[in-house]
Amino acid sequence: AQTVTQSQPEMSVQEAETVTLSCTYDTSESDYYLFWYKQPPSRQMILVIRQEAYKQQNATENRFSVNFQKAAKSFSLKISDSQLGDAAMYFCAHTGANSKLTFGKGITLSVRP
Amino acid sequence: EPEVTQTPSHQVTQMGQEVILRCVPISNHLYFYWYRQILGQKVEFLVSFYNNEISEKSEIFDDQFSVERPDGSNFTLKIRSTKLEDSAMYFCASSEARGAPGQPQHFGDGTRLSIL
Repeated sequence: AQTVTQSQPEMSVQEAETVTLSCTYDTSESDYYLFWYKQPPSRQMILVIRQEAYKQQNATENRFSVNFQKAAKSFSLKISDSQLGDAAMYFCAHTGANSKLTFGKGITLSVRP
Repeated sequence: EPEVTQTPSHQVTQMGQEVILRCVPISNHLYFYWYRQILGQKVEFLVSFYNNEISEKSEIFDDQFSVERPDGSNFTLKIRSTKLEDSAMYFCASSEARGAPGQPQHFGDGTRLSIL
């Protein structure tokens, strides 16, 4: 069974600064995918970034990048130049061969102006 | 950009009644999913659907639940004889078939189900 752990319930960052959100996972599969989703107060789950486990290169999407440490089963999200609109709940998620997403508990990110 | 749409946004139902939650996935997507999020808890997988049949379901998805694709655009979740513990936000998602299972799932806004 897959598990995803987000141990920090909340974090705060100053606008324009950088913040890193932590995530660890456990899986018995060799081929899997990892995601970060954002859920703003409007509640829609929005895909932020995706990482294929077989790729060593860390995924990057504009101000968002990941630090994927496969051996450590760690998948952290770095947000650079934080903006007020980044304030949201962030979920780390994993999927394997069966396509079902397993989510972590999420972390609430607040951005201070 | 194409979106997954869900209706209604909020549903209030008496315990024991049946509810149908509706979703219109993105038009060229072939995999469909339902997830739920009980207030304050993590998002949980319920069921995945492909080629007009269930491909995977969780322990939560018991005989009380069913899914259907009644036409070429809608994807529904039916909950029979609702219980108080069914109160949650229900999310529909869809993804492309090509390259599955790693294809990103696109989520709707969710339906908040409140059981009284």
